[in-house]
Amino acid sequence: QSVLTQPPSVSAAPGQKVTISCSGSISNIGSNYVSWYQQLPGTAPKLLIYDNDKRPSGIPDRFSGSKSGTSATLGITGLQTGDEADYYCDTWDSSLRTGMFGGGTKLTVL
Amino acid sequence: QVQLVQSGTEMKKPGASVKVSCKASGYTFTTYGIGWMRQAPGQGLEWMGWISAYNGDTNYAQNLQGRVTMTTDTSTSTAYMELRSLRSDDTAVYFCARSLGPGGRFDPWGQGTLVTVSS
Repeated sequence: QSVLTQPPSVSAAPGQKVTISCSGSISNIGSNYVSWYQQLPGTAPKLLIYDNDKRPSGIPDRFSGSKSGTSATLGITGLQTGDEADYYCDTWDSSLRTGMFGGGTKLTVL
Repeated sequence: QVQLVQSGTEMKKPGASVKVSCKASGYTFTTYGIGWMRQAPGQGLEWMGWISAYNGDTNYAQNLQGRVTMTTDTSTSTAYMELRSLRSDDTAVYFCARSLGPGGRFDPWGQGTLVTVSS
């Protein structure tokens, strides 16, 4: 059971927008930066968002991140079939002194 | 380009140890740290720990304390993760990834190393 809570799955049609939530507590999301990763089937995860809302070079602006209080959100617009993947949030917990990932969300593009 | 290349697949018996390597290239190794994560079959990502390549400081996940050791060899820009007293539930793909600190922004990731623990 992950300390960071994500919905197990989300789905939307091609071209539409989807959001994925990541809920934590004051000692993790509430006090530290959040990162988001995309894991395509059979591959290593790839960094999509860091420091809550920043995109590494090469990541399209269809991907966005935000944080409010003890929750963070990943947004994906203009959905493509190639976006079908598992998405994970990640942060540090200042009380437990450990890193942590959300349980992951499987995105299906219908 | 920045790249992390991990060692190959391992098969171990319960009670044995495994040591996975992660060779970095394309950047100054001691400027960053290396995080280690694992993913059991069909499961999510688990944070195992992080080591600073600058001074060797480590943070380990509580549930692995006493069984895991992370080290670096700055002469070869290689990080290592050793896990001892292996159990069947340690069967997983193990990933290394570069980061400035232990709390995220892992980029890039190694290709992963499958460790299977079975009698």
